[in-house]
Amino acid sequence: AQSVTQPDIHITVSEGASLELRCNYSYGATPYLFWYVQSPGQGLQLLLKYFSGDTLVQGIKGFEAEFKRSQSSFNLRKPSVHWSDAAEYFCAVLAGAQKLVFGQGTRLTINP
Amino acid sequence: GAGVSQSPRYKVAKRGQDVALRCDPISGHVSLFWYQQALGQGPEFLTYFQNEAQLDKSGLPSDRFFAERPEGSVSTLKIQRTQQEDSAVYLCASSTRTGFAEAFFGQGTRLTVV
Repeated sequence: AQSVTQPDIHITVSEGASLELRCNYSYGATPYLFWYVQSPGQGLQLLLKYFSGDTLVQGIKGFEAEFKRSQSSFNLRKPSVHWSDAAEYFCAVLAGAQKLVFGQGTRLTINP
Repeated sequence: GAGVSQSPRYKVAKRGQDVALRCDPISGHVSLFWYQQALGQGPEFLTYFQNEAQLDKSGLPSDRFFAERPEGSVSTLKIQRTQQEDSAVYLCASSTRTGFAEAFFGQGTRLTVV
């Protein structure tokens, strides 16, 4: 069955520091992968997605992610975080035609 | 409105009570999804509609859960005889027809069963 693992439940970084959030997936075929962000009391917002082609994808708010088939990973990165990036981040894989399977999420805290 | 709208935003129900959660998708969006997000967890798929047809209900946890979208627009998720384990945020999302497009999520309804 398809699954997504986000190994880090909570990460704290200083404002201006670089960020990498880990995501590992289990899927038999070429995966369609997504990163979503959820701020308190808000719905999920799509940051970026990978369907095929270039393995380095750019998203909104300065985020990027790299698909590595050999490692079954799709890690999210940002060169320099801002206080407004504090939120919960979810990695997801498309399972079936329309169903997303999400990871448990990583809560990001930003130190001033 | 411009986005997916869910109501109510918060619902407190006594155990055993029936509840109905409403989702207004983005106008013209064919596909509609319901997800359940327990505290500290990622969202979990409940059900999927294409227009008024419920094409996948594999994630509904029990027969107490029922979803409908009779006219292919607004959808209602109904939970009968609520239990404490039903406490969660219920998220609705909609997307366009073209393959799997970006799903736009609403802010969710937080259900607390006491």
